[in-house]
Amino acid sequence: DIQMAQSPSSLSASVGDRVTITCRASQSLTIYLNWYQQKPGRPPKLLIYGISTLQSGTPSRFSGSGSGTDFTLTISSLQPEDSATYYCQETYSTTFTFGPGTKVDVK
Amino acid sequence: EVQLFDSGGGLVQPGGSLRLSCVASGFTFTSYAMSWVRQVPGERPEWVSTISGSGTSTDYADSVKGRFTISRDNSKNTVFLQMSSLRAEDTALYYCAKRGSGSHRHFDSWGQGTPVTVSS
Repeated sequence: DIQMAQSPSSLSASVGDRVTITCRASQSLTIYLNWYQQKPGRPPKLLIYGISTLQSGTPSRFSGSGSGTDFTLTISSLQPEDSATYYCQETYSTTFTFGPGTKVDVK
Repeated sequence: EVQLFDSGGGLVQPGGSLRLSCVASGFTFTSYAMSWVRQVPGERPEWVSTISGSGTSTDYADSVKGRFTISRDNSKNTVFLQMSSLRAEDTALYYCAKRGSGSHRHFDSWGQGTPVTVSS
């Protein structure tokens, strides 16, 4: 099975800060890497798929990049509504494993 | 607007059974694979099962294989998850999720979730 890791596990940043979350897979995912945002009491919400394609409705301050086993979610200018947990997910294998999550707190 | 309404969760004893349902609207149901994903509060989501748009192809996580069965009724825009031989470790919030377009196999829409508690 593919193992997924994320760093950091949590972070606290101020409004307007640039925030970067890293996701690392145990094997190459080619293009099959997605990012979700989850707020308390809500289902996960797709932000980015295929490494860098923004889902309809995702604000342009979010961007995704990377290749092979290493990927990044960047929030260019953090907003109060970005307070949430962010998960990466591989869909290269048939188990669609999610990363452990990164909790983002907006000061 | 895509809407997914999942239901059927509840409290069940170990070894018992439960059937979850997810009614979909706002898209051409037969054109999309549907999945169930579960999540224990505070933990990462875990994919459980997927069924193709036609219903002819299914897949399961090893943790539920042989105990859970996914199916769909395309005449009613509904996907089901029949769960049997339930264990305490199956306790979670269960979401139905719609597969996105194209080949990326992402989940682009989710239901609100239905809670399943397995306990004596």
